[in-house]
Amino acid sequence: QKEVEQNSGPLSVPEGAIASLNCTYSDRGSQSFFWYRQYSGKSPELIMFIYSNGDKEDGRFTAQLNKASQYVSLLIRDSQPSDSATYLCAVSNFNKFYFGSGTKLNVKP
Amino acid sequence: DTGVSQNPRHKITKRGQNVTFRCDPISEHNRLYWYRQTLGQGPEFLTYFQNEAQLEKSRLLSDRFSAERPKGSFSTLEIQRTEQGDSAMYLCASSLARGGGYLTPDTQYFGPGTRLTVL
Repeated sequence: QKEVEQNSGPLSVPEGAIASLNCTYSDRGSQSFFWYRQYSGKSPELIMFIYSNGDKEDGRFTAQLNKASQYVSLLIRDSQPSDSATYLCAVSNFNKFYFGSGTKLNVKP
Repeated sequence: DTGVSQNPRHKITKRGQNVTFRCDPISEHNRLYWYRQTLGQGPEFLTYFQNEAQLEKSRLLSDRFSAERPKGSFSTLEIQRTEQGDSAMYLCASSLARGGGYLTPDTQYFGPGTRLTVL
């Protein structure tokens, strides 16, 4: 079992819609949770992190964490074609960091 | 530019040769990470340093891989006797550990990576 699981996609949404990306993790001791965006051929860039149950909003992005279900999600409101990328979920437990394989998002104009 | 830098950006080598990559972190960052990423996969953790101390090393890392951060600034990753399976993007990331545990998560900033091709 992988430490972090993501649906590889692609997830296709029309411009202006809400994109919902999901991630599950196996280590119940995980403390911090991150979402990164990676454009093709580029390195990952941090979108946001969350560490407590509930929602955290940052502009068009909302991260949701449910530790009981070991589930993290990212909502992107008003999706734009420039949001088309691979979204990586990352989980950390003190000194250990694990990334999922990413979900490819396509936002169609 | 004050971001993370990596050199070289591309490296092509023949199987059996040794290669060394360099990473220069953001200047005030005390933590430095190395990852490997292959096509269609997320970054795979290799090792990390806090200042000059190597605190964690993946069990997936064979003894052909070694990393150093001699003065707590830049770091090098060496791969000895390269194999075709070592072909990947090698990513470096840095962060500032503030000691607040999960309340101040370790947000990592990535460099552009070094793409290694082993022929």
